[in-house]
Amino acid sequence: KAGVTQTPRYLIKTRGQQVTLSCSPISGHRSVSWYQQTPGQGLQFLFEYFSETQRNKGNFPGRFSGRQFSNSRSEMNVSTLELGDSALYLCASSLGPESYEQYFGPGTRLTVT
Amino acid sequence: EDKVVQSPLSLVVHEGDTVTLNCSYEVTNFRSLLWYKQEKKAPTFLFMLTSSGIEKKSGRLSSILDKKELSSILNITATQTGDSAIYLCAHGAQKLVFGQGTRLTINP
Repeated sequence: KAGVTQTPRYLIKTRGQQVTLSCSPISGHRSVSWYQQTPGQGLQFLFEYFSETQRNKGNFPGRFSGRQFSNSRSEMNVSTLELGDSALYLCASSLGPESYEQYFGPGTRLTVT
Repeated sequence: EDKVVQSPLSLVVHEGDTVTLNCSYEVTNFRSLLWYKQEKKAPTFLFMLTSSGIEKKSGRLSSILDKKELSSILNITATQTGDSAIYLCAHGAQKLVFGQGTRLTINP
């Protein structure tokens, strides 16, 4: 069974631009969560989607948004990029909201210059 | 706010040694405790511990949950250089709260 896939794997953007990252969960998994990983803050929860609905949101500004499609694929968007948004963005999928085992994708490395 | 703390933050041992990594948590409503291994890429799932499953083992790795002490340990016996990684502990259901991680280095 294929794992979680994320595209693109690497991205370089300029301050002020916006970016969209994509995540395809493991087949049969319907919950998708997003995390930001930085050397200073570690892994921090961004948001979680199930059945095209955002169920949980972390403490991030409104510039960070996401959505989920009917096939469970998810996208996250960051607008008006800041230097501090440089990070590894990880997507994780699980069977559903009551399944606690989350499996991570390879991540998208975003660099903002 | 839920909190997870790992110790030590860094550990260097020789191949063949046994290591114990610690994770303590302060949470409002315990759901699960998960362990992940992270090398130069995404975290790889190791174990999930819950109130109904407080001990897990896979090969040289094992983990125990102590709900009384609000903590968990991850043991690795007969360590190998391939065990070198950051080990992450997390609490939660869909919203995982991670500890800082323990960077484990195995020297040959």
